Amino acid sequence: AQTVTQSQPEMSVQEAETVTLSCTYDTSENNYYLFWYKQPPSRQMILVIRQEAYKQQNATENRFSVNFQKAAKSFSLKISDSQLGDTAMYFCAFMRRTGGGADGLTFGKGTHLIIQP
Amino acid sequence: NAGVTQTPKFQVLKTGQSMTLQCAQDMNHEYMSWYRQDPGMGLRLIHYSVGAGITDQGEVPNGYNVSRSTTEDFPLRLLSAAPSQTSVYFCASSYSAWGGEQYFGPGTRLTVT
Repeated sequence: AQTVTQSQPEMSVQEAETVTLSCTYDTSENNYYLFWYKQPPSRQMILVIRQEAYKQQNATENRFSVNFQKAAKSFSLKISDSQLGDTAMYFCAFMRRTGGGADGLTFGKGTHLIIQP
Repeated sequence: NAGVTQTPKFQVLKTGQSMTLQCAQDMNHEYMSWYRQDPGMGLRLIHYSVGAGITDQGEVPNGYNVSRSTTEDFPLRLLSAAPSQTSVYFCASSYSAWGGEQYFGPGTRLTVT
């Protein structure tokens, strides 16, 4: 079974600062996806960024980027120029690809990110 | 496109009652799944489906049934509700059965008394 660990239950930074959220995972699989999801107080799950394990290049989406270290099984999220609207729970998630198709997301417990004005 | 829709948004049940949480998507997605979210636990997979007529169990399937008779719909049935099933339930879908980006519904908050 896969496990995903987010070691920072809560983080707080000032607006416009850069913040990095940590995520490690444990798997024996070689073919998988990694995701970061954002959950604001509205509770809607919003995809922030995704990474496919076979791609060596780190994914970026505007102010969001990841540092994917496959050998170390680490997948951190960097948010640059943080904004008040970035305040939310952030979940790291793993999905393996199997012969019969994917079998769902395994989530970490989340990091509550607070952006202070 | 409405995306992924879930009904109801809120529900209160008494112990032992049964009910069905509805999930529908209008994006012709092959893959659909159900998760529950408990405080401090993240989301956990209940059941998933890689296509019409095909379902499988996730991490926490006990007490829940699913079926997938059409591509669009993936209802979750609680057979005999228990207080331990108090949670927020999310349905998700993705285009490919091989995974990739999951689109989530708005969630259903269920309370079992």
